[in-house]
Amino acid sequence: GQQLNQSPQSMFIQEGEDVSMNCTSSSIFNTWLWYKQDPGEGPVLLIALYKAGELTSNGRLTAQFGITRKDSFLNISASIPSDVGIYFCAGPGGETSGSRLTFGEGTQLTVNP
Amino acid sequence: GAGVSQTPSNKVTEKGKYVELRCDPISGHTALYWYRQSLGQGPEFLIYFQGTGAADDSGLPNDRFFAVRPEGSVSTLKIQRTERGDSAVYLCASSLLGGGGEQFFGPGTRLTVL
Repeated sequence: GQQLNQSPQSMFIQEGEDVSMNCTSSSIFNTWLWYKQDPGEGPVLLIALYKAGELTSNGRLTAQFGITRKDSFLNISASIPSDVGIYFCAGPGGETSGSRLTFGEGTQLTVNP
Repeated sequence: GAGVSQTPSNKVTEKGKYVELRCDPISGHTALYWYRQSLGQGPEFLIYFQGTGAADDSGLPNDRFFAVRPEGSVSTLKIQRTERGDSAVYLCASSLLGGGGEQFFGPGTRLTVL
């Protein structure tokens, strides 16, 4: 089946630093979604990407859909303590997978004040 | 407007018992999804409804798991003869049309099978 590989698995940074994380796949995705999950909560959609090469921002977050359609990255600028959480990439994959989302294993972000 | 809601938020049951988990999607969303999330993992797909029908149930792990959406809105995930390995967070999501668009998740139901 399709797999998404996220890196790094965890990050420990100081408040104010910029963060970058990425997601790669062995197969092509037509959409890339980035979610954040806080403890005890469901994933919250941060950014959706629909076109290869697309660069989209949402406040301090910026995400890009890779040209090969097999990767995406998420940047967070000037991190703050409430950025702490697990960040997941996800995608609906190709024609055989329909509408189901495949998720990566997540990047755990810790921000030290 | 209201987001996706799930009840109960926590469910503790004994091995072998039957459980029902409920999902109330965002009003007007035709597509509804169930996922299961184990500790330290990303959510894993279980089943997808388009309207009242299950369009893709290939993620259900075995025939102890069943889900319904009789009126195309609220959905119930049913697990028979629960096993300890069923312990996980069960997440529900909805989207306006399906087809790989943005999915919005509820807070999940944490199921613990003793």
